[in-house]
Amino acid sequence: ETGVTQSPTHLIKTRGQQVTLRCSSQSGHNTVSWYQQALGQGPQFIFQYYREEENGRGNFPPRFSGLQFPNYSSELNVNALELDDSALYLCASSVPGHDTQYFGPGTRLTVL
Amino acid sequence: AQSVTQLDSQVPVFEEAPVELRCNYSSSVSVYLFWYVQYPNQGLQLLLKYLSGSTLVKGINGFEAEFNKSQTSFHLRKPSVHISDTAEYFCAVREAISGGGADGLTFGKGTHLIIQP
Repeated sequence: ETGVTQSPTHLIKTRGQQVTLRCSSQSGHNTVSWYQQALGQGPQFIFQYYREEENGRGNFPPRFSGLQFPNYSSELNVNALELDDSALYLCASSVPGHDTQYFGPGTRLTVL
Repeated sequence: AQSVTQLDSQVPVFEEAPVELRCNYSSSVSVYLFWYVQYPNQGLQLLLKYLSGSTLVKGINGFEAEFNKSQTSFHLRKPSVHISDTAEYFCAVREAISGGGADGLTFGKGTHLIIQP
């Protein structure tokens, strides 16, 4: 059974650009959640996808968007990057009705 | 909405000594509680969780936590720490709903456990 994987590991962008981060869920998990972890802070919930539809959202603006594909892999897209978007982005997969989310290693995004 | 407060940003402790990392939460509904560990430059690994039943929960690596509903606390303990326990520890909460809706976790700011030789 493979765990949650994310790509790329690191990414550097400039302010105003757009970025796409990718996540491959753990085998059999049809729900994916994305989190933003700023330096020295706990992760903050961005949104969750279930069966290719957004299932809930935290306090993040619309320029943060996502996709989930039929194979349950997922993307996080961020438009019009701001300096404060610099963070570790974590995805986590789970199964509805099951309580545990399994996290990937994260993508470190730096916005200059 | 829920919130989580981790009362200590940093806890230094000597190797083989006991440790307690404190976590308090706030919620108007029933919740599930979790402790995750994050080693440098890595993602989060689940240590233990409380869903229901016994208030004393045992997890991996010798850690345990006790749920106290009246004090809205979920403190993490280990009787004897090792150098390898040096990491960031996060307490998290989510609503204990059955079906439907997102189950995003609300995390505390973390406690950095520093093990001194």
